[in-house]
Amino acid sequence: GENVEQHPSTLSVQEGDSAVIKCTYSDSASNYFPWYKQELGKRPQLIIDIRSNVGEKKDQRIAVTLNKTAKHFSLHITETQPEDSAVYFCAASIKSGGGADGLTFGKGTHLIIQP
Amino acid sequence: GAGVSQSPSNKVTEKGKDVELRCDPISGHTALYWYRQSLGQGLEFLIYFQGNSAPDKSGLPSDRFSAERTGGSVSTLTIQRTQQEDSAVYLCASSLGPLGAEAFFGQGTRLTVV
Repeated sequence: GENVEQHPSTLSVQEGDSAVIKCTYSDSASNYFPWYKQELGKRPQLIIDIRSNVGEKKDQRIAVTLNKTAKHFSLHITETQPEDSAVYFCAASIKSGGGADGLTFGKGTHLIIQP
Repeated sequence: GAGVSQSPSNKVTEKGKDVELRCDPISGHTALYWYRQSLGQGLEFLIYFQGNSAPDKSGLPSDRFSAERTGGSVSTLTIQRTQQEDSAVYLCASSLGPLGAEAFFGQGTRLTVV
């Protein structure tokens, strides 16, 4: 099965600086990589995703990069703001016609934005 | 409904009692996941249902845990003879599926075993 490693577990950055969270996956067949943000006391929500036919995707201050050869993908947040403080989860998924594989999540990164 | 609905939102139970947690996925979503999240921790995978396929139960921590999904829609997670270490938030998610689709999470059920 898929194994997803995420680091760091905690990341503290100054407001306005950039934050990078990295994940690695084990199954080379994985081809869908979403990132979820979970604010305190709330449910995880998708913030950005990338598919294996794309190397990079941007959405305003958020970007995700994917290196299929190395089997790792990263979340980049630029010009961080206090509202970016949350726990971020990466995940990997295999696209299959009917297999039982589903989303496998990393352990999460607690991002703290220091004022 | 508009989103994934879980009930109850909070449950306090005595050690040794059985509990049932319910998840109503988004209509039409064939994939349904259960996760457990202890305080300040990550998402611990429990079980995954996809259509009519046999569920992936590889994350269930013990035989006290079981889950069903009737009619490919509503799912119930049952914990028998609850222990204090079962205290956590239990999150349900569904996706259009089978794979490569966004998973939408419910608000979770906060279970406290006293």
